[in-house]
Amino acid sequence: EAGVTQFPSHSVIEKGQTVTLRCDPISGHDNLYWYRRVMGKEIKFLLHFVKESKQDESGMPNNRFLAERTGGTYSTLKVQPAELEDSGVYFCASSPQGASLSYNEQFFGPGTRLTVL
Amino acid sequence: AQSVTQLDSHVSVSEGTPVLLRCNYSSSYSPSLFWYVQHPNKGLQLLLKYTSAATLVKGINGFEAEFKKSETSFHLTKPSAHMSDAAEYFCVVSYYNQGGKLIFGQGTELSVKP
Repeated sequence: EAGVTQFPSHSVIEKGQTVTLRCDPISGHDNLYWYRRVMGKEIKFLLHFVKESKQDESGMPNNRFLAERTGGTYSTLKVQPAELEDSGVYFCASSPQGASLSYNEQFFGPGTRLTVL
Repeated sequence: AQSVTQLDSHVSVSEGTPVLLRCNYSSSYSPSLFWYVQHPNKGLQLLLKYTSAATLVKGINGFEAEFKKSETSFHLTKPSAHMSDAAEYFCVVSYYNQGGKLIFGQGTELSVKP
């Protein structure tokens, strides 16, 4: 079974440019999460999809970030325009639907390292 | 605020000696607790989880953790370190009413010396 995949693995862009990160969850997983780790800080939650619907986007830092999940399959996270403080590693995770999501293991992708110059 | 504190940012042990990675959480609710590990250039992998069953939880690769509610701790241990254990370890908490959102500690980098 394929794991969670993320593309690209690395991205280097100039301040003010746009970048789109992609996540392909494990097939059949309804829940998809985005997290981010900026340099020297802990990994922080960004948002949660259940199928194609945004369940919780309380962690999105501002309106320069836009996440979508087309047809409840893969997800994209767009940053437009990118700022220096957006640099970090962006992780995607997925989990199956279950009675209690707090108990579910989340399966993580390898992350996308974003550098904004 | 709900939070997780990993007490050591870096731990160094010799191969064959015990490992102790410390974690405390703060909350007024009963949490689910996890330890994840990240090897270089890999995704985070679940080591073990506590979800209100047995307080001593056994995980993969010989790791285990004990949930101590009175101390709000969930320390990770292993009797004998192996070189392949060198990685970054994350203590993580989740709550039943938050859709599975994970709250991470700052991470502990484990080095294993030959």
